[in-house]
Amino acid sequence: EDQVTQSPEALRLQEGESSSLNCSYTVSGLRGLFWYRQDPGKGPEFLFTLYSAGEEKEKERLKATLTKKESFLHITAPKPEDSATYLCAVLLTSGGYQKVTFGTGTKLQVIP
Amino acid sequence: SAVISQKPSRDICQRGTSLTIQCQVDSQVTMMFWYRQQPGQSLTLIATANQGSEATYESGFVIDKFPISRPNLTFSTLTVSNMSPEDSSIYLCSVNRGGLGTDTQYFGPGTRLTVL
Repeated sequence: EDQVTQSPEALRLQEGESSSLNCSYTVSGLRGLFWYRQDPGKGPEFLFTLYSAGEEKEKERLKATLTKKESFLHITAPKPEDSATYLCAVLLTSGGYQKVTFGTGTKLQVIP
Repeated sequence: SAVISQKPSRDICQRGTSLTIQCQVDSQVTMMFWYRQQPGQSLTLIATANQGSEATYESGFVIDKFPISRPNLTFSTLTVSNMSPEDSSIYLCSVNRGGLGTDTQYFGPGTRLTVL
């Protein structure tokens, strides 16, 4: 059974205190891995897609990395506006059929 | 990018009734996805809607409870039938854009459903 697990469930950081969020997965037919940001009451906002081990992508204070079993979202010198829930999801394919399975999310709070 | 709109944005319904949620995309897509996000939870895929064929439902979701229509390449509806308070959730539609190496998944703003 495909599984995607995120840790920690919640993270509280002081402004400027860098940290990493983890997304580990056990799946078959992995095509790619997504990271999203979700603000309360809104749909997820796309951040990155990663495809192969060793790949990295950056956007402002965020950098996502991928290994064969997990992905990390590194947040450098976070600001209060980075507070949100961060979701990872795996894009799976099988015989032309696509499916996206989400992790449980990490709720990030950045304190001024 | 993709612009996705959903109607209604929220609704409060009585148990036993049905609600149809509409999803409109700004350009043609092959597959549209419907998700449910229960309070404080992550997203769970309900079904994949392909134009011209029946929707594919995930384990735990059935067509009688969540019938889906996909009349064209830019529009889909999800109906939540015979609702109970357990159906109170945010319902989101989604599309994928791009091919291998450029996959991007976009979400609509969601429909917040409360069942009394």
